Amino acid sequence: DTEVTQTPKHLVMGMTNKKSLKCEQHMGHRAMYWYKQKAKKPPELMFVYSYEKLSINESVPSRFSPECPNSSLLNLHLHALQPEDSALYLCASSQGQGVKDTEAFFGQGTRLTVV
Amino acid sequence: AQSVTQLDSHVSVSEGTPVLLRCNYSSSYSPSLFWYVQHPNKGLQLLLKYTSAATLVKGINGFEAEFKKSETSFHLTKPSAHMSDAAEYFCVVSVYTGGFKTIFGAGTRLFVKA
Repeated sequence: DTEVTQTPKHLVMGMTNKKSLKCEQHMGHRAMYWYKQKAKKPPELMFVYSYEKLSINESVPSRFSPECPNSSLLNLHLHALQPEDSALYLCASSQGQGVKDTEAFFGQGTRLTVV
Repeated sequence: AQSVTQLDSHVSVSEGTPVLLRCNYSSSYSPSLFWYVQHPNKGLQLLLKYTSAATLVKGINGFEAEFKKSETSFHLTKPSAHMSDAAEYFCVVSVYTGGFKTIFGAGTRLFVKA
């Protein structure tokens, strides 16, 4: 199984809502990532978990809250988002953070629209 | 400083003709280099990666790339474009600068005309 599965595929939420994005992988990878991608732009790194511990937070606003319940799951909790947070949110995993020559496997993304 | 530059924001080719997507990188360290493809509203899929074992790297779907250290380039090529190749392509560099950092190029949109 070389898949990273993200749910939901699409999400529309109001600015006062609380929602969560979910990501799952069963490749035994120990690093998992959240990226945000705006239209016609490359993905921007938000968070990195290494061995279930948060290792990188790229100065992301606190309305985004990541969680790694176990080595296979990664969540992104959303609260009080702004319309400019609308984007494609991508989850990825890799064998380990900083393992040379190892690639990341990406999920299909969650298309988030904040209204 | 580490950086990656994709020299063309858009490339348009006719079906059956060769594809060339250009990528230059800058790194003080020995980099890992990747090409990813992204179809509309989809995730990124790895096409190929350079691992220092061979300078000419073959990937999926007939793509290949050549690592040229002297030119700091990692251009992506395919001999004959197919309509299904129309997508966004990202050149990615991974470097160690006290911690590993992954740098994405701005992307190249490939259009394939019938």
